Amino acid sequence: DTAVSQTPKYLVTQMGNDKSIKCEQNLGHDTMYWYKQDSKKFLKIMFSYNNKELIINETVPNRFSPKSPDKAHLNLHINSLELGDSAVYFCASSPVTGELFFGEGSRLTVL
Amino acid sequence: EDKVVQSPLSLVVHEGDTVTLNCSYEVTNFRSLLWYKQEKKAPTFLFMLTSSGIEKKSGRLSSILDKKELFSILNITATQTGDSAIYLCAVFSDSGYALNFGKGTSLLVTP
Repeated sequence: DTAVSQTPKYLVTQMGNDKSIKCEQNLGHDTMYWYKQDSKKFLKIMFSYNNKELIINETVPNRFSPKSPDKAHLNLHINSLELGDSAVYFCASSPVTGELFFGEGSRLTVL
Repeated sequence: EDKVVQSPLSLVVHEGDTVTLNCSYEVTNFRSLLWYKQEKKAPTFLFMLTSSGIEKKSGRLSSILDKKELFSILNITATQTGDSAIYLCAVFSDSGYALNFGKGTSLLVTP
């Protein structure tokens, strides 16, 4: 059983479109995250979601919005996609000790 | 803002060599430092360090933390080609809400 799963694994889309990436974890963790990994492999936090508290990295454009229907799911919705949004997006969850368990990533390519 | 600096950024060694990867940090209210290995897909957890001077070991990999000098090292002995990967250092602090990653060290082990 996959602990943190995200879909789709690959997305290719045109500029200006809206897309969503789904994430589910079956580890029973209270906190979930979205990270963006750029072409230089730098992992940057986008959002943290814990018990209905959303913490947003202030550098993330408001075109990005996380949605959490329940504790096991944290989806990422992106409006009006831009070329610079091309990256690998990783969902992760963590227990209170803080170590992250990552999904396999969703590679987004904006043309 | 929390700062995590890894060195070197990249490294090429021969099989059998020993390597040392470095991670220095500046954070407020340090809680833990973590090492991850990333091959083709998601980062996988290696070690979590919270106390100074206590070495963590897993096979040929080991890591230690110095909270006075604010750094950690990851050692890999008798390297193998399968050790080729990006090694990521991350810090968790009470003042942050998520793991804050360094830019990684890209290690290539040649036969």
